[in-house]
Amino acid sequence: ETGVTQSPTHLIKTRGQQVTLRCSSQSGHNTVSWYQQALGQGPQFIFQYYREEENGRGNFPPRFSGLQFPNYSSELNVNALELDDSALYLCASSPGGVAGGQETQYFGPGTRLLVL
Amino acid sequence: DAKTTQPNSMESNEEEPVHLPCNHSTISGTDYIHWYRQLPSQGPEYVIHGLTSNVNNRMASLAIAEDRKSSTLILHRATLRDAAVYYCILRSTGNQFYFGTGTSLTVIP
Repeated sequence: ETGVTQSPTHLIKTRGQQVTLRCSSQSGHNTVSWYQQALGQGPQFIFQYYREEENGRGNFPPRFSGLQFPNYSSELNVNALELDDSALYLCASSPGGVAGGQETQYFGPGTRLLVL
Repeated sequence: DAKTTQPNSMESNEEEPVHLPCNHSTISGTDYIHWYRQLPSQGPEYVIHGLTSNVNNRMASLAIAEDRKSSTLILHRATLRDAAVYYCILRSTGNQFYFGTGTSLTVIP
């Protein structure tokens, strides 16, 4: 069974540029969530995709957008990068269809983005 | 989802038990209590979860207070590999995990 993978592992961009981060979910998982983790902070929820549809969004501006593909892999796109976007971006997959609060998420190692 | 309160940091000697506390005084009846940990340079990792009864698995035990307003993650014998940030999270029917800042556990050899 393959775990959650993310690419690239590290990325350096300049302010104003656009970036695309990728995530392959664990086999059999149809739900993907994205998180932003600033240094010294806990992960902050960006959004979740379930079967290719956005299924909830945290307090992030529209320049953070995403996609989920038929194979349940996912992309996070960030436009007009700002210095404060520098963070570790985490992807987590879950099997979906788990009732209520029992859902367990499986995290990838993250992509570290530095905006200069 | 309700908020949780955890100490910023804790220390433990290697091979000793560790009790990591979490307060969640505004927990609702449908909230599950989840614990995740994040080792340095890695994504968070699931540890354990429960609703009302105490839970055990190969990694840890979860002790839930009778009124459910607090819980304790118990690592029975801390090893150096248990040094991580431990997050206590409440989950009900929403799709978000609210992580907070967690407890940074240092294990002393």
